[in-house]
This record gives sequence, structure tokens and C-alpha cells, in this order.
Amino acid sequence: GENVEQHPSTLSVQEGDSAVIKCTYSDSASNYFPWYKQELGKGPQLIIDIRSNVGEKKDQRIAVTLNKTAKHFSLHITETQPEDSAVYFCAASKGQAGTALIFGKGTTLSVSS
Amino acid sequence: GAVVSQHPSRVICKSGTSVKIECRSLDFQATTMFWYRQFPKKSLMLMATSNEGSKATYEQGVEKDKFLINHASLTLSTLTVTSAHPEDSSFYICSASRASTTNEKLFFGSGTQLSVL
Repeated sequence: GENVEQHPSTLSVQEGDSAVIKCTYSDSASNYFPWYKQELGKGPQLIIDIRSNVGEKKDQRIAVTLNKTAKHFSLHITETQPEDSAVYFCAASKGQAGTALIFGKGTTLSVSS
Repeated sequence: GAVVSQHPSRVICKSGTSVKIECRSLDFQATTMFWYRQFPKKSLMLMATSNEGSKATYEQGVEKDKFLINHASLTLSTLTVTSAHPEDSSFYICSASRASTTNEKLFFGSGTQLSVL
């Protein structure tokens, strides 16, 4: 089955700096890669996603890149703000409706002002 | 955006009792719902996949007789933790995907923190 590895497990940055979180996946059939942000005691919220026919996607301060050949994808957050502090999870799936997501272990991002 | 409502948000129960958690898709029909379990500072682990009108598919290692899942309608799935024990204490999260063959996005509920005394 699919296995998703995520690094780093913790990341501390100064406000205004950029943050990068990296994930690798094992199943070449996976073609949908979302990123979720989870705040303490809450469910995950989808912040951005990318499909395998696209190499990069950007939404304001957040961007995701995908390298299908190397089976890795990354989340980039620019101009970080204290409210970006949370746990971020990458995930992968085969992209069909009704397909479960397999999650990475999460990255705790701390943005200090 | 799609809204998934999960109740209760927190429950404390005595060992040996059963607890039911509800997951509703408020503004869309969900053919498939998923139940995840999350331990403190850990990732989300898939417990089971629930399809409307059929039996749930459980992941390896998840006891189907302990974690009863019912998906009776396109907007409601329930997880019942039967004869709960302290080791069942965890954060349970449901998610749902739209009833569409092309939409793979999953939307998550706000989670239920179960504490078994």
C-alpha cells in the first residue's frame, strides 16, 4: 500500500521567513496530493492540493510543487505569520472519489514574531 | 466549501459503556465517508471506509465489532465505540467525499475527543 513520509517533524521560523515542508510517497499510482492544516483540537482543513498532471500550484502565500519522477511534493509558505502556526499534514491518494487519503506524520510549524 | 459536521466534539464516558459519534455532510451528498483516529501529536490513521447502504470496510487491525459503523444515508455516518475501554481514548475524525466520480477532495469534521475513564 501507499506510504507517505514527511519531513521535518518540527519547524520553527521567524515571522516573515519562508517555510518548506517535504513529503515523499511510494505508490506510483497515487495522483492526488492535498495538504491540510490542523489546529489544536480541530479537524484538518484543506489548504491546497495538486494533481499529478500539474507540477506546481500557488494560492497567495502558499504553493505546492510536485515531482512525479522522484515521487515527492513540497509545501511552501512565504511571508509566514504567527497564525500560520499549526500542524501541517501532507497526504496522497489515487484520486478517485471514494478513495481514502494516506497521511504523512505531520509537521509542527511554529512562527515566532 | 463543503461542510462536514461531527458530534459530539467531546465525550467522557465510563469504561464498558458505548459511545456514538455522528458525522453529517451538511451541504452535499457523500457516497463515501471515512473514519480516522488520531493519537496526541500523531498522524491520522484510517480506521474504515464507509459506503452508503453497504457494510464498512475496515483497515487491518481495526476491530469491526468494537467500532461499529453505519452509513444509512448519503448525509450521515455514525461510529459507535462499543464497550469502551481507556485504550479507546483518542481523537476520532470523520471525512466525506462528494458523490461524484471526478471529485477526490475530502472534507473533515471537527473531530471528537473521546476520554474513557
